[in-house]
Formats: sequence, structure tokens, C-alpha cells
Amino acid sequence: DTGVSQDPRHKITKRGQNVTFRCDPISEHNRLYWYRQTLGQGPEFLTYFQNEAQLEKSRLLSDRFSAERPKGSFSTLEIQRTEQGDSAMYLCASSLVAAGYGNQPQHFGDGTRLSIL
Amino acid sequence: AQKITQTQPGMFVQEKEAVTLDCTYDTSDQSYGLFWYKQPSSGEMIFLIYQGSYDEQNATEGRYSLNFQKARKSANLVISASQLGDSAMYFCAMREGRGKAAGNKLTFGGGTRVLVKP
Repeated sequence: DTGVSQDPRHKITKRGQNVTFRCDPISEHNRLYWYRQTLGQGPEFLTYFQNEAQLEKSRLLSDRFSAERPKGSFSTLEIQRTEQGDSAMYLCASSLVAAGYGNQPQHFGDGTRLSIL
Repeated sequence: AQKITQTQPGMFVQEKEAVTLDCTYDTSDQSYGLFWYKQPSSGEMIFLIYQGSYDEQNATEGRYSLNFQKARKSANLVISASQLGDSAMYFCAMREGRGKAAGNKLTFGGGTRVLVKP
């Protein structure tokens, strides 16, 4: 399987706990994105990386959220001191942005569904 | 203001018939891209079709076609010959910018749920 892989698929935790999600992009993709999707809504952008550099962060990404892509391959998204409002699906996507490759779509993983008790 | 508007929260369509899903967008950029994604109940987002703002022809991809009306800022998805497996949420999304900036974030609409009836 050469698609975007996310782990875990589901995470249930108590309010106040820290959680970390992992995303493995398609191997040749240099851009990696994180989105959050609440029930009945479209995904909302959180942040994205070009290789290991984090180039943009949404205002949705409070100081309790941190994302890394240390070697320009996989990425982690950590939420500290989780709150009820953090319950959502967290989607990772990747794409290739390079000269001569035109407008490539973002390919999404299956997401991590977070439930805060 | 909403950048992507999908006015149909839900639609029923008879199997084998065509269905049109509406999408209007708002941007001041001259260069942008419009995407449609399908999200079945299992949750994964599946890329369907892309239309660039400078593309003169409407995009087509198998049973999917995009009715792009630039002056009206609309990019409606047409699914022909609907199948039961087409039952899903459908999202319209926009990417603004060109070149390296074209790899930036997608802005999504609220989605349209399609139910195909046998």
C-alpha cells in the first residue's frame, strides 16, 4: 500500500491527557498537510510542511497543538491537555509540488478519530 | 465570507441517473484550482477531479465531469450514471495561488450528502 497512512485510526482519551498522532505520507511527496474535520463539516486546514519546514499554521492551531516533520518524511501531531472541543477526525494529506509536475491533488489518509471523554 | 459554498446539504438520486452537485467559490486570486473529493462513510477522502482557473475545457474523469463557469464562480460536479457505491459525502475545495504557492492549503465547503436509490 503506497497511500497516506495514519496511526492510530481511533483514539479515546480522558480530558486533560496528551495525545500524539502519526502520519506517513506517500514517499515521494514533499508536502504534508494536517486538517481537522468535525462531524457534518468539511475539513479545516491546520498546518502544512514542505519537507521538514513548517510553512503555515492556522489560527485553529492553538498553543496546545504542535506538529513536527523532523526528517521530512513522517509527521506527528501532538495535542496537549486535551479538551472536549478537540474531539474530531484528524486528517493528514500529502502532495508533490515541484516544477514540471503541474497541479497535483492532495492525497488523504483515512484519518485518526479522536474522542475526548 | 464563505470561500466555498455548497448549498445542497443532501440529495437523493435514482440509480443510473445523473446528478449535479453545486459549488460556488469566492476568491480574488486570478490563479486557483478547484477540487472535488468523495468521502464514504468509512471516512477516507478520495480525490475525484480537478479544474484549474486557466483551463479552458471543463475537466472530465470517467463518470465525473466539472461544469466550470468562471464568470459565475461556480464549479458544479456532475456524476453520470449513478451507482449505489456513489452514496457518500462530496466536498468541493479550492486552492489559491500559483507555482510554489499552489501547494498551499485547501479550503473546503460544507459538503453534500448523496444517497443513490436502487
